Amino acid sequence: ETGVTQSPTHLIKTRGQQVTLRCSSQSGHNTVSWYQQALGQGPQFIFQYYREEENGRGNFPPRFSGLQFPNYSSELNVNALELDDSALYLCASSLDWAASTEAFFGQGTRLTVV
Amino acid sequence: GDSVTQMEGPVTLSEEAFLTINCTYTATGYPSLFWYVQYPGEGLQLLLKATKADDKGSNKGFEATYRKETTSFHLEKGSVQVSDSAVYFCALRAGGQNFVFGPGTRLSVLP
Repeated sequence: ETGVTQSPTHLIKTRGQQVTLRCSSQSGHNTVSWYQQALGQGPQFIFQYYREEENGRGNFPPRFSGLQFPNYSSELNVNALELDDSALYLCASSLDWAASTEAFFGQGTRLTVV
Repeated sequence: GDSVTQMEGPVTLSEEAFLTINCTYTATGYPSLFWYVQYPGEGLQLLLKATKADDKGSNKGFEATYRKETTSFHLEKGSVQVSDSAVYFCALRAGGQNFVFGPGTRLSVLP
């Protein structure tokens, strides 16, 4: 059973550019969520997908968007990058979105915006 | 909204010392509670969880008890090792909702 994998692990973008981050969920998991972790802080919820539909969103602007595919893998897209978007982006997958269900996290994508 | 508060870090201990990291939460529903650990350069790993009041989660010598009356979920370990050095995050999840994380507590264990 493979775990959650994210790509790329690191990337550097220029302010104003667009970026796409990818995540392969753990086998059998139909729920994927994305988090932004700024340096020295806890992860902040961006949005969640369940069976290809967005079913929850945190306090992030519309330039943060996502997709979930039929195989439950997912993408996070960020348009018009700003310096404050520099962070570790974490993808998490879970069997469902019940309160008792733990999430399994990928190793993250470190995004630097210059 | 829901929130999690953790004790300020960093925490520095000698090997074999006793560890406590305090965590309290505010939630409108009846959440499940989690501790995640993050090693340098890695994502988060589940350490333990508890899903109802008075439940005790335990793993790798760590334990935490869900205390509804004090809205707390303190992490403890009787004897820490150098390999326990990491950042520890307390988190909650209410039904149908995302995880809400605390700010994290950095632990350094010295040999």
